[in-house]
Amino acid sequence: AQSVSQHNHHVILSEAASLELGCNYSYGGTVNLFWYVQYPGQHLQLLLKYFSGDPLVKGIKGFEAEFIKSKFSFNLRKPSVQWSDTAEYFCAVNAMDSSYKLIFGSGTRLLVRP
Amino acid sequence: DAMVIQNPRYQVTQFGKPVTLSCSQTLNHNVMYWYQQKSSQAPKLLFHYYDKDFNNEADTPDNFQSRRPNTSFCFLDIRSPGLGDAAMYLCATSRTSGSFYEQFFGPGTRLTVL
Repeated sequence: AQSVSQHNHHVILSEAASLELGCNYSYGGTVNLFWYVQYPGQHLQLLLKYFSGDPLVKGIKGFEAEFIKSKFSFNLRKPSVQWSDTAEYFCAVNAMDSSYKLIFGSGTRLLVRP
Repeated sequence: DAMVIQNPRYQVTQFGKPVTLSCSQTLNHNVMYWYQQKSSQAPKLLFHYYDKDFNNEADTPDNFQSRRPNTSFCFLDIRSPGLGDAAMYLCATSRTSGSFYEQFFGPGTRLTVL
């Protein structure tokens, strides 16, 4: 069965620190990849997505992610975090060949200290 | 703005008392999803409608049912809520043509079971 792993469940950073959140998936076929963010008390919002082409994708609020097919990874990065980035981050994968549904990772809760 | 709307935002019910949550969308997407999300966990897909076709996840309890009277509206019915059903319920939509299955989420309904 397809699965998505987010290895960091809780991350605490100080403002201006760099961020990298890991995401690995298990599926050998073609995938669409997503990072969603859920700010405290708010709904899930799309941060960025990868469908094809340049494996380095840029999203909103200075976030970017790199798709490394050989590693089945789609890690999220931000060079300098802000307090307002405190949120929960979910990686999600769509296995294009088999379904239009998304498979979510378990999420990473990020706390940025001012 | 096109969006996914959920009502109510907060719902309190008693143990065993049926409850209905509603979702509407102005995106004209053909797929609508219901997820259950418990604290610090990934959204768990309960079921979805592909147009008028209902698709239940294998592990969704019979206690949960859904209706989609038209393209814009979808309802989640919990026939006999138990304490374990207290959660955030998320509605999402997507289209299956040209969008690579990106899902758009509503703000959620937080269900409390007393």
